Amino acid sequence: GAVVSQHPSWVICKSGTSVKIECRSLDFQATTMFWYRQFPKQSLMLMATSNEGSKATYEQGVEKDKFLINHASLTLSTLTVTSAHPEDSSFYICSARDPHRSSYEQYFGPGTRLTVT
Amino acid sequence: QQQVKQSPQSLIVQKGGIPIINCAYENTAFDYFPWYQQFPGKGPALLIAIRPDVSEKKEGRFTISFNKSAKQFSLHIMDSQPGDSATYFCAASRASGSRLTFGEGTQLTVNP
Repeated sequence: GAVVSQHPSWVICKSGTSVKIECRSLDFQATTMFWYRQFPKQSLMLMATSNEGSKATYEQGVEKDKFLINHASLTLSTLTVTSAHPEDSSFYICSARDPHRSSYEQYFGPGTRLTVT
Repeated sequence: QQQVKQSPQSLIVQKGGIPIINCAYENTAFDYFPWYQQFPGKGPALLIAIRPDVSEKKEGRFTISFNKSAKQFSLHIMDSQPGDSATYFCAASRASGSRLTFGEGTQLTVNP
């Protein structure tokens, strides 16, 4: 149980275009989802916290107009990178919390590798 | 005060050895301390976690030791195997439902 999926697993896009990444909780309802970015050989950096039905809370330094997060249902959150640039190339990982299983644990998705050319 | 410091940055052991990874935190409000394992190109997977009301927790070959007064916790991997070669992250959070703060990561290599 507590499976989180991401789609796509990898994507290549041209500079200036937008790309959407989906995060789904497959067997539980996630009231809270988190989006992280990870550069090579670095730790996970929290970008934003997403609560179902409300606006996401962005970490300091993360441009909310560039990284649009929509948590429209209890099983789906999306991250849209708008007007992507090569410096946005990174590994994007989502996680979700199952409040019925644990109020602490976060279950991570497999990640999405974004390459902007 | 939100930082979690992790060491070493990298670690090489022989098969059967016991690698130890250490983390230290400043925020005494942290009350959940998980360890994650991450393979290249994959998302992190929860290995084991501890709350501050216990000093040690074992799950299979993985053990967390927790020292509340020193604000430190560590991961021990017993009888390490080449398949344990991965990057390990410690983390901490301060209340149920709140964000995780991650350590910098330790790249572990277990030689056959």
